[in-house]
Amino acid sequence: GAGVSQSPSNKVTEKGKDVELRCDPISGHTALYWYRQSLGQGLEFLIYFQGNSAPDKSGLPSDRFSAERTGGSVSTLTIQRTQQEDSAVYLCASSLVGWTSGGGSQETQYFGPGTRLLVL
Amino acid sequence: QKEVEQNSGPLSVPEGAIASLNCTYSDRVSQSFFWYRQYSGKSPELIMSIYSNGDKEDGRFTAQLNKASQYVSLLIRDSQPSDSATYLCAAAYRRALTFGSGTRLQVQP
Repeated sequence: GAGVSQSPSNKVTEKGKDVELRCDPISGHTALYWYRQSLGQGLEFLIYFQGNSAPDKSGLPSDRFSAERTGGSVSTLTIQRTQQEDSAVYLCASSLVGWTSGGGSQETQYFGPGTRLLVL
Repeated sequence: QKEVEQNSGPLSVPEGAIASLNCTYSDRVSQSFFWYRQYSGKSPELIMSIYSNGDKEDGRFTAQLNKASQYVSLLIRDSQPSDSATYLCAAAYRRALTFGSGTRLQVQP
């Protein structure tokens, strides 16, 4: 089946503009994650959706960042009033189920190809 | 503060040798650990997951977990030039993965 897809693959924008990044998770996966990877850096967690539960927004770097997930499937990450330091690769991942508190385990996350954002 | 530490490398090994990649984590609550491979300009792809102490083998790859020492490693046997990539170690804590900054592996033909 299809993997995680993201669009656009590349986005160049001017400082101060808003951008929307889209993620289509693997069909049937209930958990969806957004990460950010700056050049030469590791992945930084941004936000997590699990089913109908309230999202975990603890990783969002500022209130300019927001995300939603409609119908338990597609997710959109929005960055308002973009800044140059927002330039990075934004990666989406999905997993069959997310955090299992009883077992204390985490299902494998599968990553999309990412959106490369450049803010001029 | 949850941290995952990796040596950034590069780790250079000759073709056919064993590559040993190491990772330490700070959060004792973490129960699940993952190794991802990332080629330049590409997204991470899963190599191995490990949940229990000991070794887990999959083809040329062996993951080792020692929870008492908070240490995870990945061994790659018979290293190939195609294994040249950055290897990311990740520990699961609650609802997200905490990633190390990655170790760059270079396999010399």
